[in-house]
Amino acid sequence: DAKTTQPTSMDCAEGRAANLPCNHSTISGNEYVYWYRQIHSQGPQYIIHGLKNNETNEMASLIITEDRKSSTLILPHATLRDTAVYYCIVRFLYGGATNKLIFGTGTLLAVQP
Amino acid sequence: ETGVTQTPRHLVMGMTNKKSLKCEQHLGHNAMYWYKQSAKKPLELMFVYNFKEQTENNSVPSRFSPECPNSSHLFLHLHTLQPEDSALYLCASSQDSRADTQYFGPGTRLTVL
Repeated sequence: DAKTTQPTSMDCAEGRAANLPCNHSTISGNEYVYWYRQIHSQGPQYIIHGLKNNETNEMASLIITEDRKSSTLILPHATLRDTAVYYCIVRFLYGGATNKLIFGTGTLLAVQP
Repeated sequence: ETGVTQTPRHLVMGMTNKKSLKCEQHLGHNAMYWYKQSAKKPLELMFVYNFKEQTENNSVPSRFSPECPNSSHLFLHLHTLQPEDSALYLCASSQDSRADTQYFGPGTRLTVL
């Protein structure tokens, strides 16, 4: 799986949009971009994933650049409960018996009141 | 909330003890996973079971012994652990081992004295 690079930490004011960047410059054409988050002392939680097109669900939006070398996760109105470590993972689907999630160190998003 | 439960949530054990961690998923999934998360380290995949068969063992020491009696239950049997095995142990499930989304339990915080 392609390696991803994320900032170690970010701050965001409550109620504002949180934009979390991720670089994946070696991504291949059939690798998806996944985002999970982990609130302190809990298990990771799936947020969203995409291949080429931008995606939106009830939690967040995912913007993938045209060359697919980077992406941004957007939380439109961050709340204190969004404080967590956010993981960007690049993953090849259906390529083998098991699709592994390779977690990096992620970005610690601190939402400030 | 996620449909994956883990017990106990916290466990303290001595190096000579034998204990077991339990995971149960209520999502009708066929794949289950054990991950280890040590302090300040990324999540590490330990084992994968797909339709009750072990498909991945990520070079885990034999003092960790998984058991998957059916698709809904996963155990991790522990014996003669070391203090460095202290970590958060997370269970996850997915539709099958090639599925795109994994759902995590809350984890068991293990301390080995």
